[in-house]
Amino acid sequence: ELKVEQNPLFLSMQEGKNYTIYCNYSTTSDRLYWYRQDPGKSLESLFVLLSNGAVKQEGRLMASLDTKARLSTLHITAAVHDLSATYFCAVRPTNNDMRFGAGTRLTVKP
Amino acid sequence: EPEVTQTPSHQVTQMGQEVILRCVPISNHLYFYWYRQILGQKVEFLVSFYNNEISEKSEIFDDQFSVERPDGSNFTLKIRSTKLEDSAMYFCASSERGAQYNEQFFGPGTRLTVL
Repeated sequence: ELKVEQNPLFLSMQEGKNYTIYCNYSTTSDRLYWYRQDPGKSLESLFVLLSNGAVKQEGRLMASLDTKARLSTLHITAAVHDLSATYFCAVRPTNNDMRFGAGTRLTVKP
Repeated sequence: EPEVTQTPSHQVTQMGQEVILRCVPISNHLYFYWYRQILGQKVEFLVSFYNNEISEKSEIFDDQFSVERPDGSNFTLKIRSTKLEDSAMYFCASSERGAQYNEQFFGPGTRLTVL
């Protein structure tokens, strides 16, 4: 059975601190996606990681992919309140299917 | 900027009734998807659609569900006889391609409440 596991599921951090969210998956997939979801809202695409060793950065967020370890990380640098949201990783075991992790609910406190 | 739209934003129905959720994908996109998210839980894949037929479906997408592209713009999800456990947020998504560089764009969702 395909598993996509994120940890932590809940993360409360102070503004200005750094932290990393982890996403492990159990199937072969050379594509990994990170999405952000604000409460009651839809999913916003953050990163698409397409190959082993891929690293992408946008503002205070940086995502990386290790396909051999089946691990992706989402690193938060100097967190600010606006980053508070739920972050999902997702993999594509086939071309037309996408499987999501359970999500990491991030709260950034002043 | 083009976006995926969905109607209605909120649908309330009685158990056993049929509902149709509507989506208008981004106009040049060829691949369409439905997902659902039960409150507070993860997003679950339901079905993908390309070239007027289902490409893949999950175990959730049983005989009670169907999808259709009735015209050149709309993409619908029908639930024939709703159950209480169908209550969820339903997201439509579309992508330009189904291959390697596929990035899916999600609509705002339809909140379905089954009473």
